[in-house]
Amino acid sequence: EAGVVQSPRYKIIEKKQPVAFWCNPISGHNTLYWYRQNLGQGPELLIRYENEEAVDDSQLPKDRFSAERLKGVDSTLKIQPAELGDSAVYLCASSLEGYYEQYFGPGTRLTVT
Amino acid sequence: EDQVTQSPEALRLQEGESSSLNCSYTVSGLRGLFWYRQDPGKGPEFLFTLYSAGEEKEKERLKATLTKKESFLHITAPKPEDSATYLCAVLGTYKYIFGTGTRLKVLA
Repeated sequence: EAGVVQSPRYKIIEKKQPVAFWCNPISGHNTLYWYRQNLGQGPELLIRYENEEAVDDSQLPKDRFSAERLKGVDSTLKIQPAELGDSAVYLCASSLEGYYEQYFGPGTRLTVT
Repeated sequence: EDQVTQSPEALRLQEGESSSLNCSYTVSGLRGLFWYRQDPGKGPEFLFTLYSAGEEKEKERLKATLTKKESFLHITAPKPEDSATYLCAVLGTYKYIFGTGTRLKVLA
Protein backbone atom coordinates (compact mmCIF):
# COMPACT_ATOMS: atom_id res chain seq x y z
CA GLU A 1 0.00 0.00 0.00
CA ALA A 2 1.42 3.39 -0.98
CA GLY A 3 1.99 5.84 1.81
CA VAL A 4 1.28 9.56 1.95
CA VAL A 5 2.96 11.32 -0.96
CA GLN A 6 4.22 14.89 -0.74
CA SER A 7 5.93 17.13 -3.22
CA PRO A 8 8.26 18.83 -3.54
CA ARG A 9 10.59 17.40 -0.92
CA TYR A 10 12.65 20.57 -0.74
CA LYS A 11 11.96 24.17 -1.72
CA ILE A 12 14.10 27.28 -1.46
CA ILE A 13 12.48 30.63 -2.18
CA GLU A 14 13.10 34.30 -1.49
CA LYS A 15 10.89 36.12 0.96
CA LYS A 16 7.72 37.63 -0.48
CA GLN A 17 7.52 34.87 -3.11
CA PRO A 18 4.60 32.41 -3.22
CA VAL A 19 5.01 28.68 -2.63
CA ALA A 20 2.72 25.66 -2.81
CA PHE A 21 2.92 22.16 -1.36
CA TRP A 22 1.00 19.14 -2.59
CA CYS A 23 -0.17 16.07 -0.69
CA ASN A 24 -1.82 12.83 -1.76
CA PRO A 25 -3.10 10.82 1.21
CA ILE A 26 -3.33 7.05 1.61
CA SER A 27 -6.15 5.69 -0.53
CA GLY A 28 -9.40 5.58 1.43
CA HIS A 29 -8.27 7.96 4.17
CA ASN A 30 -10.89 10.68 4.38
CA THR A 31 -9.13 12.79 7.04
CA LEU A 32 -6.16 14.90 5.97
CA TYR A 33 -3.92 17.08 8.14
CA TRP A 34 -1.32 19.71 7.40
CA TYR A 35 1.33 20.36 10.05
CA ARG A 36 4.32 22.66 10.38
CA GLN A 37 7.37 21.39 12.24
CA ASN A 38 10.17 23.69 13.32
CA LEU A 39 13.59 22.31 14.14
CA GLY A 40 13.61 20.56 17.51
CA GLN A 41 9.86 20.93 17.93
CA GLY A 42 6.86 18.69 17.55
CA PRO A 43 4.45 19.08 14.64
CA GLU A 44 1.93 21.93 14.97
CA LEU A 45 -1.46 21.43 13.36
CA LEU A 46 -2.35 24.00 10.67
CA ILE A 47 -5.54 22.56 9.23
CA ARG A 48 -7.60 19.38 9.30
CA TYR A 49 -9.98 18.20 6.57
CA GLU A 50 -12.78 15.70 6.80
CA ASN A 51 -13.33 14.87 3.12
CA GLU A 52 -13.60 18.28 1.39
CA GLU A 53 -14.49 20.22 4.53
CA ALA A 54 -11.93 22.10 6.61
CA VAL A 55 -13.14 21.25 10.12
CA ASP A 56 -10.27 22.81 12.07
CA ASP A 57 -8.28 25.72 10.64
CA SER A 58 -7.94 27.69 13.86
CA GLN A 59 -4.11 27.57 13.72
CA LEU A 60 -3.81 28.51 10.06
CA PRO A 61 -2.42 32.06 9.56
CA LYS A 62 -5.14 33.07 7.18
CA ASP A 63 -3.55 36.32 6.07
CA ARG A 64 -0.92 34.44 4.08
CA PHE A 65 -1.77 30.74 4.20
CA SER A 66 -4.49 28.97 2.27
CA ALA A 67 -5.38 25.36 1.65
CA GLU A 68 -7.77 23.38 -0.45
CA ARG A 69 -8.84 19.78 -0.83
CA LEU A 70 -10.90 19.50 -3.94
CA LYS A 71 -12.84 16.25 -4.43
CA GLY A 72 -11.78 15.11 -0.97
CA VAL A 73 -8.58 13.44 -2.09
CA ASP A 74 -5.34 15.35 -2.61
CA SER A 75 -4.66 18.72 -1.07
CA THR A 76 -2.58 21.85 -1.66
CA LEU A 77 -1.20 24.22 0.97
CA LYS A 78 -0.12 27.67 -0.23
CA ILE A 79 1.83 30.50 1.33
CA GLN A 80 1.70 33.94 -0.26
CA PRO A 81 3.81 35.89 0.41
CA ALA A 82 6.39 33.82 2.29
CA GLU A 83 8.27 35.29 5.24
CA LEU A 84 11.60 34.27 6.76
CA GLY A 85 9.77 32.76 9.74
CA ASP A 86 7.94 30.33 7.48
CA SER A 87 11.10 28.24 7.07
CA ALA A 88 10.15 24.83 8.45
CA VAL A 89 9.14 21.32 7.43
CA TYR A 90 5.54 21.06 6.25
CA LEU A 91 4.06 17.65 6.94
CA CYS A 92 0.92 16.07 5.57
CA ALA A 93 -0.82 13.19 7.34
CA SER A 94 -3.96 11.16 6.80
CA SER A 95 -6.16 8.82 8.80
CA LEU A 96 -9.17 6.60 8.33
CA GLU A 97 -12.57 7.82 9.42
CA GLY A 98 -13.14 6.85 13.04
CA TYR A 99 -9.47 6.13 13.71
CA TYR A 100 -7.12 8.59 15.34
CA GLU A 101 -3.69 7.27 14.41
CA GLN A 102 -2.14 9.37 11.68
CA TYR A 103 0.15 8.34 8.85
CA PHE A 104 2.61 10.98 7.78
CA GLY A 105 4.31 11.79 4.53
CA PRO A 106 8.03 12.62 4.33
CA GLY A 107 7.41 16.35 4.47
CA THR A 108 8.53 19.36 2.44
CA ARG A 109 11.48 21.29 3.81
CA LEU A 110 10.95 24.99 3.04
CA THR A 111 13.78 27.50 3.28
CA VAL A 112 12.91 31.17 2.88
CA THR A 113 15.92 33.43 2.21
CA GLU B 1 -4.92 24.84 28.44
CA ASP B 2 -4.04 21.50 26.88
CA GLN B 3 -0.35 20.71 27.19
CA VAL B 4 2.14 17.92 26.53
CA THR B 5 5.63 17.79 28.07
CA GLN B 6 8.23 15.17 27.22
CA SER B 7 11.34 14.32 29.18
CA PRO B 8 14.21 14.01 28.90
CA GLU B 9 14.90 16.15 25.83
CA ALA B 10 17.77 13.86 24.87
CA LEU B 11 18.98 10.47 26.05
CA ARG B 12 22.10 8.47 25.27
CA LEU B 13 22.10 4.77 26.07
CA GLN B 14 24.54 1.95 25.57
CA GLU B 15 23.23 -0.95 23.54
CA GLY B 16 21.27 -3.20 25.89
CA GLU B 17 20.76 -0.49 28.53
CA SER B 18 17.02 -0.28 29.20
CA SER B 19 15.33 3.02 30.01
CA SER B 20 12.04 4.93 29.90
CA LEU B 21 10.81 8.10 28.21
CA ASN B 22 8.16 10.23 29.87
CA CYS B 23 5.18 12.12 28.46
CA SER B 24 3.18 14.25 30.90
CA TYR B 25 -0.07 15.72 29.70
CA THR B 26 -2.90 18.03 30.65
CA VAL B 27 -5.89 17.77 28.39
CA SER B 28 -9.62 18.11 28.62
CA GLY B 29 -11.47 15.07 27.46
CA LEU B 30 -8.64 12.69 26.54
CA ARG B 31 -9.63 10.70 23.49
CA GLY B 32 -6.25 9.06 22.97
CA LEU B 33 -2.51 9.25 23.59
CA PHE B 34 -0.16 8.38 20.76
CA TRP B 35 3.50 7.55 20.39
CA TYR B 36 5.37 8.17 17.16
CA ARG B 37 8.94 7.59 16.06
CA GLN B 38 10.64 10.13 13.80
CA ASP B 39 13.90 9.51 11.96
CA PRO B 40 15.92 12.45 10.58
CA GLY B 41 14.47 13.80 7.36
CA LYS B 42 11.31 11.71 7.62
CA GLY B 43 7.77 12.13 8.85
CA PRO B 44 6.65 10.63 12.15
CA GLU B 45 5.84 6.92 12.12
CA PHE B 46 2.92 5.70 14.21
CA LEU B 47 3.79 3.30 17.05
CA PHE B 48 0.98 3.04 19.63
CA THR B 49 -2.41 4.35 20.68
CA LEU B 50 -3.49 4.27 24.33
CA TYR B 51 -7.03 5.17 25.30
CA SER B 52 -7.43 4.76 29.06
CA ALA B 53 -5.42 4.66 32.27
CA GLY B 54 -3.92 1.25 32.92
CA GLU B 55 -3.67 0.33 29.27
CA GLU B 56 -0.40 -1.08 27.92
CA LYS B 57 0.82 -1.81 24.38
CA GLU B 58 3.96 -3.63 23.25
CA LYS B 59 5.91 -3.88 20.03
CA GLU B 60 9.28 -5.60 19.87
CA ARG B 61 11.53 -3.78 22.39
CA LEU B 62 9.00 -1.01 23.08
CA LYS B 63 6.24 -0.92 25.67
CA ALA B 64 3.91 2.02 26.23
CA THR B 65 1.88 2.57 29.41
CA LEU B 66 -0.69 5.17 30.41
CA THR B 67 -1.85 6.75 33.67
CA LYS B 68 -4.22 9.65 34.20
CA LYS B 69 -1.39 12.17 34.04
CA GLU B 70 1.43 10.62 32.06
CA SER B 71 2.61 7.94 29.70
CA PHE B 72 5.87 6.06 29.60
CA LEU B 73 7.63 4.49 26.65
CA HIS B 74 9.84 1.74 28.01
CA ILE B 75 12.71 0.57 25.82
CA THR B 76 14.12 -2.83 26.74
CA ALA B 77 17.61 -3.81 25.63
CA PRO B 78 17.76 -1.13 22.91
CA LYS B 79 19.77 -1.49 19.72
CA PRO B 80 21.44 1.23 17.64
CA GLU B 81 18.57 1.07 15.15
CA ASP B 82 16.24 2.32 17.89
CA SER B 83 17.99 5.69 17.69
CA ALA B 84 15.37 8.29 16.70
CA THR B 85 13.20 11.05 18.12
CA TYR B 86 10.16 9.72 19.95
CA LEU B 87 7.12 11.98 19.90
CA CYS B 88 4.11 11.83 22.18
CA ALA B 89 0.77 13.33 21.14
CA VAL B 90 -2.60 13.65 22.83
CA LEU B 91 -5.99 14.03 21.29
CA GLY B 92 -8.32 16.06 23.46
CA THR B 93 -11.82 17.18 22.75
CA TYR B 94 -10.87 19.08 19.63
CA LYS B 95 -7.35 18.57 18.41
CA TYR B 96 -4.02 16.81 18.46
CA ILE B 97 -1.17 18.32 20.49
CA PHE B 98 2.36 17.01 20.03
CA GLY B 99 5.18 17.19 22.53
CA THR B 100 8.65 18.33 21.52
CA GLY B 101 10.02 14.80 21.58
CA THR B 102 12.89 12.88 23.16
CA ARG B 103 15.98 12.39 21.00
CA LEU B 104 17.30 8.90 21.70
CA LYS B 105 20.79 7.79 20.74
CA VAL B 106 21.77 4.16 21.29
CA LEU B 107 25.49 3.50 21.13
CA ALA B 108 26.91 0.19 19.94
